[in-house]
Amino acid sequence: SQKIEQNSEALNIQEGKTATLTCNYTNYSPAYLQWYRQDPGRGPVFLLLIRENEKEKRKERLKVTFDTTLKQSLFHITASQPADSATYLCALSNNAGNMLTFGGGTRLMVKP
Amino acid sequence: DSGVTQTPKHLITATGQRVTLRCSPRSGDLSVYWYQQSLDQGLQFLIQYYNGEERAKGNILERFSAQQFPDLHSELNLSSLELGDSALYFCASSVGTRTYNEQFFGPGTRLTVL
Repeated sequence: SQKIEQNSEALNIQEGKTATLTCNYTNYSPAYLQWYRQDPGRGPVFLLLIRENEKEKRKERLKVTFDTTLKQSLFHITASQPADSATYLCALSNNAGNMLTFGGGTRLMVKP
Repeated sequence: DSGVTQTPKHLITATGQRVTLRCSPRSGDLSVYWYQQSLDQGLQFLIQYYNGEERAKGNILERFSAQQFPDLHSELNLSSLELGDSALYFCASSVGTRTYNEQFFGPGTRLTVL
């Protein structure tokens, strides 16, 4: 069955460093991969979308890579700030593109 | 603020009961999605409507049903509630039918079944 894995352990980093979060998937051929941010008790907020034929996407301090051979996406936040502390979710959809499958999320804690 | 509204914010009910959750999408969005988020299952897609018609179905139980009305608001009906139905229920909306369209999530309804 389809499986999307994100590190369930919290990632603790120092302010100013680069945070790197991983999303691995199996038994899936996604056409699109999205990253969302979720704060406690609130709805997810869309950050970035990357297509299967794109290797990398950037938006301000955010960078996403998508390796369909490794079946992995990496999500980077450069110059991290305490305000970046949240849970980050990756989500995949196939070519039919009518259903998002979410990973379990990784909690990021940025310490001042 | 995403522009998606959900009511009520909190709901406490007993096993066996029936509840209705309501969602109003962002102005201009025709697609509405419903998700369930629990601690052990993560965020699970339940169902999608586009302009009043069902478009995709995920892990939605037979006890659950949804509909989208002509004014595009949507309701999720949960019946014969069980303890395991306790979760956060999110509604999201997007412009089109495809999930590569950015989805805007509402604040959620926290359902507690006692």
